[in-house]
This record gives sequence, structure tokens and C-alpha cells, in this order.
Amino acid sequence: RKEVEQDPGPFNVPEGATVAFNCTYSNSASQSFFWYRQDCRKEPKLLMSVYSSGNEDGRFTAQLNRASQYISLLIRDSKLSDSATYLCVVRDRGNDYKLSFGAGTTVTVRA
Amino acid sequence: DAGVTQSPTHLIKTRGQQVTLRCSPKSGHDTVSWYQQALGQGPQFIFQYYEEEERQRGNFPDRFSGHQFPNYSSELNVNALLLGDSALYLCASSLPPNNEQYFGPGTRLTVT
Repeated sequence: RKEVEQDPGPFNVPEGATVAFNCTYSNSASQSFFWYRQDCRKEPKLLMSVYSSGNEDGRFTAQLNRASQYISLLIRDSKLSDSATYLCVVRDRGNDYKLSFGAGTTVTVRA
Repeated sequence: DAGVTQSPTHLIKTRGQQVTLRCSPKSGHDTVSWYQQALGQGPQFIFQYYEEEERQRGNFPDRFSGHQFPNYSSELNVNALLLGDSALYLCASSLPPNNEQYFGPGTRLTVT
């Protein structure tokens, strides 16, 4: 079983729509959770960390459900510039070195 | 403030050859991690270097080796290249205690 699994999509949504997707992780000892954004043929960039209480950064909202071992990302009022692959990332407790990535969820926002 | 830099940008090699990829960390960072990203997949952890030592390694064969220099820059070496080694190789630097990893633009390796 993969450490981090994501719905690959693609999610194809119109501008202004809301889109949400999840990822699941297999290690219950996982401690830190992140969403990274990766544009085509570019490097991943940190979008936001995910906290147990849930957190929001502008139009982006991340939620963590430790009991069910899943993380979600919701994008409100989608912009064309939100088109990208969103990578779910997990770091295990006691292991500050290695990030475990999902394969990514592709979002395309159309005009 | 320079971010993480990697060289070369692109590289084409033949099966069986050896390759060396280079990474310079973000200014002030002392830790370098290497990841392999195959097409359509997420990055996979290869190893991490700190204080010129390999601190942790992912599930990669011994054909993958690395080095960190006193100025914190790093090299990734891959011997006996296979077609399956074709991928984007990403370097990420970080600094404790935050440990947020900043990625470089990557080196795209094609093995023919």
C-alpha cells in the first residue's frame, strides 16, 4: 500500500467554482502534513501546512482527520492561476528528514 | 537571496553510463535532500545529507550515491544508468528546527 494516496483527477472546473479533493495516508504515526503545488515541469512549492484544527489561507482551506487518516484541500472561487497539480505530503513523527508525497491531484480551471 | 539551484537543467545519457547532478542549497541552509520524480508520480525520497554525511536513505539501490561538501552543496551520482532512471531529480534544502524543505528547479534526466 502506498504511504500517501490521492485521487489523480483531473478536476476540470470553471472559474469561480469550488473544488475539493482528499488524500489518505497509511502511517498512523504521521505527524506533519502539507499541501504542495506543482506547476507543469516545475518544482513543488509549499502551499500550506495542515493543522489538526484545520486552517485557511485566503481561498484555500485544509482539513486533517486523524481518525480516518485523510487530509483535504478546498479551493474557493477558483482562478485560472490555480491550475496545477496539488501534492499531498506527509512527514512521520520522529523523522524530520523524509517527506512522503502522493502522486498529485491535477486541477484545471477553465475560463 | 538565491534559492536552491541545480545543474544541469537537462541531461541525456545512454544506458550503462554514469551521471552526476549538482545542487546548491538556499543561503543559510545546511541540509540537502534528493528526490526522484518519475512522470505522473510524486517525488520519491532518495537520501538526505547533513554535515557531509548521509543521514537517511530511501528505497533506492546502491547505484545512487551522494556527497555533501563543506559549503553544503551536494552531488547525486547514479551509476549503471537504466531506462527507468529517466526522471526529474529534485534537490531540496532545509535548516533545522523549521525543516521546511525548499525545492530547486530540478534536473531532467533522460536515459536512452
